[in-house]
Amino acid sequence: QVQLQESGPGLVKPSETLSLTCTVSGGSISSYYWSWIRQPPGKGLEWIGYMYYSGSTNYNPSLKSRVTISVDTSKNQFSLKVRSVTAADTAVYYCARGSRSTSRAWGQGTLVTVSS
Amino acid sequence: DIQMTQSPSSLSASVGDRITITCQASQDISNYLNWYQQKPGKAPELLIYDASNLEAGVPSRFSGSGSGTDFTFTISSLQPEDIATYYCQQYDNLLLTFGGGTKVEIK
Repeated sequence: QVQLQESGPGLVKPSETLSLTCTVSGGSISSYYWSWIRQPPGKGLEWIGYMYYSGSTNYNPSLKSRVTISVDTSKNQFSLKVRSVTAADTAVYYCARGSRSTSRAWGQGTLVTVSS
Repeated sequence: DIQMTQSPSSLSASVGDRITITCQASQDISNYLNWYQQKPGKAPELLIYDASNLEAGVPSRFSGSGSGTDFTFTISSLQPEDIATYYCQQYDNLLLTFGGGTKVEIK
């Protein structure tokens, strides 16, 4: 059974870059779509974007100018970078596996706080 | 962008009750709608895909219906373990958006 685990700094300063990695175990990253979704504390879910293992990507237009999703098939990992963060980027960040439309396997989530 | 309006935002019901949550899309999305359950402190889990298909392993008391702009999610007999927030999510134009969520509590 596939498992996903997010990792990265829990605290990022305003204007800096948020970087997270999702490590996939129990399955190969060389298929499926790999997504990032976030959830501000006490609020709803926001889709950030996804990458197909081959490298094609699709991003939420509201974040597109600041976000990059990439994959490292040799490490069975995929990553998220959000540039120029503000307090509004404070959220629990989830990585997930599925199709373009549907996420069936999720990581447990990691809280990232943007604060000086 | 397609907006998803989910209602109610919260509800309280008794064990055994039938509950219904609705989700309305701002434009026709055919049947391109999923329903997720999120328990407190946990990641969401897929319950229903393509508006009415039950995900493998999900109890049959959960169901979904609808097409176009109006969708319904039903729990036929509410159980204590169903305490959670439920989200609809559309995927009509390769840009995914979630509804605002419905928090379900037990009376």
